[in-house]
Amino acid sequence: QQQVKQSPQSLIVQKGGISIINCAYENTAFDYFPWYQQFPGKGPALLIAIRPDVSEKKEGRFTISFNKSAKQFSLHIMDSQPGDSATYFCAADNYGQNFVFGPGTRLSVLP
Amino acid sequence: DAGVIQSPRHEVTEMGQEVTLRCKPISGHDYLFWYRQTMMRGLELLIYFNNNVPIDDSGMPEDRFSAKMPNASFSTLKIQPSEPRDSAVYFCASRAGSSYNSPLHFGNGTRLTVT
Repeated sequence: QQQVKQSPQSLIVQKGGISIINCAYENTAFDYFPWYQQFPGKGPALLIAIRPDVSEKKEGRFTISFNKSAKQFSLHIMDSQPGDSATYFCAADNYGQNFVFGPGTRLSVLP
Repeated sequence: DAGVIQSPRHEVTEMGQEVTLRCKPISGHDYLFWYRQTMMRGLELLIYFNNNVPIDDSGMPEDRFSAKMPNASFSTLKIQPSEPRDSAVYFCASRAGSSYNSPLHFGNGTRLTVT
């Protein structure tokens, strides 16, 4: 119940395309859903986050869509760029008491 | 702000040796986390501290692993004795408080190789 499932494991997108990564959770106590971006040799860094009282949040080319009833959320990267090539982790948090990461998606954006 | 600082960046050691990883959290952050990252298991939470006190160490693999936080600006993760299966990237992260708008800030990790 504490797991966060994430798909796909890897994703290849052409420059300018849309990248979509999906996550699902079981624990309804989770109240915060961040996405982290990790480049090789670096630690993960917060990209964008959403709370369950909002169905969508957009920051530049990055959008989180949240479906509370389905317990699913997704990251959309519009106009994907080669510089977006990285590993993306969804996560879920329970009032700071239980921060759980998904297994990650390796995104490659081809020039 | 220098961010979370980890040392060393790389550590190569032989099986059976003691390994100590170090972390300096961001000043003012009261939560500190140790994670292990592998291809097979992803990011695993090992232990976290609040105000220098260990809160949850259920992720520590076994008694060979120990972590301390003697003060607000320093933490160590020790493996003794080390084994090849401990090879991974170990991350330290810190956050200010536990509310939803206090994200985790990660260091750049220590890549540990045990031969």
